[in-house]
Amino acid sequence: NAGVTQTPKFRILKIGQSMTLQCAQDMNHNYMYWYRQDPGMGLKLIYYSVGAGITDKGEVPNGYNVSRSTTEDFPLRLELAAPSQTSVYFCASSYSLGNTIYFGEGSWLTVV
Amino acid sequence: RKEVEQDPGPFNVPEGATVAFNCTYSNSASQSFFWYRQDCRKEPKLLMSVYSSGNEDGRFTAQLNRASQYISLLIRDSKLSDSATYLCVVNIPHSNDYKLSFGAGTTVTVRA
Repeated sequence: NAGVTQTPKFRILKIGQSMTLQCAQDMNHNYMYWYRQDPGMGLKLIYYSVGAGITDKGEVPNGYNVSRSTTEDFPLRLELAAPSQTSVYFCASSYSLGNTIYFGEGSWLTVV
Repeated sequence: RKEVEQDPGPFNVPEGATVAFNCTYSNSASQSFFWYRQDCRKEPKLLMSVYSSGNEDGRFTAQLNRASQYISLLIRDSKLSDSATYLCVVNIPHSNDYKLSFGAGTTVTVRA
């Protein structure tokens, strides 16, 4: 009963470092998403994918990259981490765009 | 105008009380509406979809008013466990498909 699985759950990065947040889903969903949520704020879409090999930018893509080589996996890459990227990151998936989406448990990232 | 707007609250109510709050959306072409629940430091989880005729799930009732472009959530007989942030989610036409737009959330605190 895994659903959407994200790793790591917590990470502290130094300014300028890079890292990859991993995300996998086992529901055979074509659509996957990365959101960030700053304290007291709503979810902002970073990138999304409508299927393997296809990705597109969301509202706040700067400083991030994604890839979608398989249906199951949708990693998020942070290059040259900045303090403004301190946030909680949620990966999610859905059967189709605009329908119920299922979230991973979140990854808490702090950039110092 | 924001795509989805919610009263942030907080709504502070005693156990057993009824609490209700609304969410307005800007795009009249939106087709799907949801309420998600988010506990502190947790991922959002689907509470209920909102149907045109209104729908009820136990103590929770959701209504849709297309003319005035808002949805509502009513919680009857509030429990301590209902304390959470409730996110309004609306699908918005985007390119040739839809995207989900999240409100910033309404915080509800139920006190003993």
